[in-house]
Amino acid sequence: QLQLQESGPGLVKPSETLSLTCTVSGGSITSYFWNWIRQSPGKGLEWIGYVHYSGYTNYNPSLKGRVTMSVDTSKNELSLRLSSVTAADTAVYFCARDRGYYWNNLYYYYGLDVWGQGTTVTVS
Amino acid sequence: EVVLTQSPGTLSFSPGERATLSCWASQSISRNYLGWYQQKPGQPPRLLIYDASTRATGIPDRFSGSGSGTDFTLTISRLEPEDFAIYYCHQYGTSPWTFGQGTKVEIK
Repeated sequence: QLQLQESGPGLVKPSETLSLTCTVSGGSITSYFWNWIRQSPGKGLEWIGYVHYSGYTNYNPSLKGRVTMSVDTSKNELSLRLSSVTAADTAVYFCARDRGYYWNNLYYYYGLDVWGQGTTVTVS
Repeated sequence: EVVLTQSPGTLSFSPGERATLSCWASQSISRNYLGWYQQKPGQPPRLLIYDASTRATGIPDRFSGSGSGTDFTLTISRLEPEDFAIYYCHQYGTSPWTFGQGTKVEIK
């Protein structure tokens, strides 16, 4: 059974870089789209972006170029880096899988069917 | 970006009743790529429905989704005690993917 687990510092100082890891167990990371989503009381659920195992990325432009995602297939991990953080980046951060694929120049998606438990990050 | 509106913010029902939740999109959802999630306190969202009307693996058949274009509905045919939670719609047809603000289903 596929399981995802987020990890990283719970407290980050303003203007620094938030770095999180999502460890994938019970399955391989060498397929699908791996997403990061965050949730805060003020903004609800916000999609941050995804990374495909091939390295292709798709980010939410609202984060204005501060986001970097990557996959490490040797460790079965994905990572998120968010630079120049402010208090507005305080949230619970989730990783989640979309079991979609790329075929014939088109991306196919199926929704976010497996989620990690989330990790709380406070910027202060 | 596609704005998803869920209204009202809270609905009250008794167990056994039928619940109908709505989600409206600011523009047509490409390929009907619309999902519904259930979230309980302290837990991540759980995928119930994808592609507007397909139940995710392991989801009871009392949950059903319908709609196309800009208007979508999640129906819970008979509310069980464990169904009282917050429900979110999510579109993944146009980047950036977006979520509705949620509808809380509470016990009357």
